[in-house]
Amino acid sequence: DAKTTQPNSMESNEEEPVHLPCNHSTISGTDYIHWYRQLPSQGPEYVIHGLTSNVNNRMASLAIAEDRKSSTLILHRATLRDAAVYYCILFNFGNEKLTFGTGTRLTIIP
Amino acid sequence: DAGITQSPRHKVTETGTPVTLRCHQTENHRYMYWYRQDPGHGLRLIHYSYGVKDTDKGEVSDGYSVSRSKTEDFLLTLESATSSQTSVYFCAISPGTVYGYTFGSGTRLTVV
Repeated sequence: DAKTTQPNSMESNEEEPVHLPCNHSTISGTDYIHWYRQLPSQGPEYVIHGLTSNVNNRMASLAIAEDRKSSTLILHRATLRDAAVYYCILFNFGNEKLTFGTGTRLTIIP
Repeated sequence: DAGITQSPRHKVTETGTPVTLRCHQTENHRYMYWYRQDPGHGLRLIHYSYGVKDTDKGEVSDGYSVSRSKTEDFLLTLESATSSQTSVYFCAISPGTVYGYTFGSGTRLTVV
């Protein structure tokens, strides 16, 4: 399975945008880029996913590099409720299994 | 989360006893999964199902079995619980790759 690399931790100020990076240099053409987050004492929560084009939803935006070897999850205005571990995962079409890495622990500073 | 429920939420059991965890969905999704989460290991896939009576192993399947006799239910069984199976267990459902997973709230299992 193709791997992703994320920083172990990041901090951001409340009410400011947050950019969470993810490198996936071995991504294949059929790999979707998925992002999940896990709040303390909860199950993981789907955030967003994309294949080639940038994507937006009510939770976040996903910016995908033109060569697809990296992506960035953007939280437009962080709140304290966004403090969580964020996972960037490559999900291959036809191999219907999510493999979680260690993710990025995001701390929001009031 | 609406559409997926896990039971029980908490369980304490003794070493050597059988334990069954239940995952129930109301979304009619094809795929169902069982993960465990431990400090230092993150989330690891135990077993998954891609249809009624169709199941396959994940990366940490030893000591676990699963069954799916109905679309809505996916059962995880520990035939003879061991202390190493103390963990938080999460069930997830998905309609397929191009869609996200929905996770349950988890079952905290303690084997003493």
